[in-house]
Amino acid sequence: QAQLQQSGPGLVKPSQTLSLTCAISGDRVSSNSAAWNWIRQSPSRGLEWLGRTYYRSKWYTDYAESVKSRITINPDTTKNQFSLQLSSVTPEDTAVYYCARALSGGKTCDLWGRGTLVTVSS
Amino acid sequence: DIVMTQSPDSLAVSLGERATINCRSSQSIFYSSNNNNYLAWYQQKAGQPPKLLFYWASTRESGVPDRFSGSGSGTDFTLTISSLQAEDVAVYYCQQYYNTPFTFGPGTKVDLK
Repeated sequence: QAQLQQSGPGLVKPSQTLSLTCAISGDRVSSNSAAWNWIRQSPSRGLEWLGRTYYRSKWYTDYAESVKSRITINPDTTKNQFSLQLSSVTPEDTAVYYCARALSGGKTCDLWGRGTLVTVSS
Repeated sequence: DIVMTQSPDSLAVSLGERATINCRSSQSIFYSSNNNNYLAWYQQKAGQPPKLLFYWASTRESGVPDRFSGSGSGTDFTLTISSLQAEDVAVYYCQQYYNTPFTFGPGTKVDLK
């Protein structure tokens, strides 16, 4: 049974960088049949897909245009995890952040982390 | 970006009654080369992450009760709960995964009447 375990700080100061990690068990970040996503949820923006990374003979990333200038999603094959970095945060980035797996063959976001509430405040 | 809308915003249904949630995409999310609609439905209960109910618009995820059904094609989709149970109280979201950015509907809250 695959699982995703999120970690990272729950409080980030404005203008700093938000960093979260999603550790994978029961699957591989380098799987050729999975994509690894970050999604956030806030009352004002609802559920917002931020981006993904996936391996298909080489690594690919896709980012939402709304955060493209500030976001980095990186896989770490040695630790079997992937990370989210969001720079220059503002209070508008306050949200619950989720990592999620999507499988090839259409089974999108079938596995989710428990979520991390990140508050941007001084 | 593909915009997803849902109706109604909320509904209250008696135990055992039918609940119907509609979802519309701003453009077709049907891919003719594989005959699939790139539409998923999720259920989210308070304090939990969303749970996948359907993908390809109508393919039920393993473990999802058969009182739930998904239908529709192109731009118009429906999630139906044929006989509402107490444990179905939740917010339901549709999501398109036809194009990045993958976008979600605003959600429909289902409560007991």
